[in-house]
Amino acid sequence: DVKVTQSSRYLVKRTGEKVFLECVQDMDHENMFWYRQDPGLGLRLIYFSYDVKMKEKGDIPEGYSVSREKKERFSLILESASTNQTSMYLCASRGGYPYEQYFGPGTRLTVT
Amino acid sequence: GQNIDQPTEMTATEGAIVQINCTYQTSGFNGLFWYQQHAGEAPTFLSYNVLDGLEEKGRFSSFLSRSKGYSYLLLKELQMKDSASYLCAVRPYSGNTPLVFGKGTRLSVIA
Repeated sequence: DVKVTQSSRYLVKRTGEKVFLECVQDMDHENMFWYRQDPGLGLRLIYFSYDVKMKEKGDIPEGYSVSREKKERFSLILESASTNQTSMYLCASRGGYPYEQYFGPGTRLTVT
Repeated sequence: GQNIDQPTEMTATEGAIVQINCTYQTSGFNGLFWYQQHAGEAPTFLSYNVLDGLEEKGRFSSFLSRSKGYSYLLLKELQMKDSASYLCAVRPYSGNTPLVFGKGTRLSVIA
């Protein structure tokens, strides 16, 4: 069975802290994605990676960075958390045909 | 640019049929996906269309017209557990490109 896991379901951090969100998939997928989801705005793509050590900016990369040192793991980093980064963060991975994306359970991050 | 439109909210009665529409204007087309997302949970894959026509999967069906840039998701014999958001997504290009998601349609099923 396909599995994407995220390190935390709920996280509370203070403004200015460095935050790491981890995502692991066990399907040997090459493509991995980080989204944030906010009411009324839908899913917005932050970064994606199509191979180890490769990364591409999505629609809203400002304030975020990513790391992909191993194929199964894709990390999202908030260098200095701000209150406007309070959101639900969803990781996804994608394999071959039909190219659907499998999502992790999400991390609800609150920055105070 | 990429644009996907869906109604924001819909309400339907238990046991009825509901159709959720999706229109898209994207720079390319390599398939359309529907996802279901219950409140507080991750989206889960429902269906995939790449050719025109209807794909049926149990109580759920999805239709695609590429010439019209249009799709719909049809839910039959609605159940309370079908209350969720339904996301339409398009894969604009082949290769390693992300899906483009609509903002989702929140469906409420009432007794």
